[in-house]
Amino acid sequence: DAGVIQSPRHEVTEMGQEVTLRCKPISGHNSLFWYRQTMMRGLELLIYFNNNVPIDDSGMPEDRFSAKMPNASFSTLKIQPSEPRDSAVYFCASRRDSGAYGYTFGSGTRLTVV
Amino acid sequence: GQQVMQIPQYQHVQEGEDFTTYCNSSTTLSNIQWYKQRPGGHPVFLIQLVKSGEVKKQKRLTFQFGEAKKNSSLHITATQTTDVGTYFCAGPQTGANNLFFGTGTRLTVIP
Repeated sequence: DAGVIQSPRHEVTEMGQEVTLRCKPISGHNSLFWYRQTMMRGLELLIYFNNNVPIDDSGMPEDRFSAKMPNASFSTLKIQPSEPRDSAVYFCASRRDSGAYGYTFGSGTRLTVV
Repeated sequence: GQQVMQIPQYQHVQEGEDFTTYCNSSTTLSNIQWYKQRPGGHPVFLIQLVKSGEVKKQKRLTFQFGEAKKNSSLHITATQTTDVGTYFCAGPQTGANNLFFGTGTRLTVIP
């Protein structure tokens, strides 16, 4: 089991540029979550999908953020245009809904917007 | 809104000392989960507690879920340098399927 795979691991971009973060969940996991982690705000849920359908996107900061899950094995989080305050570590996590399973997190993408 | 607070925010201990972090929710939780995040790493699932008053052990780690299902604790006996990291509790967001993470306790173990 390769775990949850995120890419890129690090991204440095200039303000105003588009940023796309990618996530491959664990096969068989039917829920996928995007979290953002900062020192000030901790771990914040941005959006989650169940069976590829967005269920709750109330955590998405503003219209500059969008997320998609075109199939069970791939999701993207896009920021356009990026701003310095978007600098954070973005984690993708997945979970199988049945049973007492916790979330499996990816290694995260450290985003720096300059 | 829903809040999950943890205390302390930071804790420094000498290696071999015990450590406890406390988690308090503003709402009753159906279950609570604990995660550990090493410095520079990602959160890793440790355990889930479901029943009121439940106690579970993993080697030197003891997890408790309060009787009212609004608080929980994690106790580490005889800390080791490998215990360094931030410990998060997390509970289901009210009326939703996602987890709401606590503020975390960052543990430093001094050799």
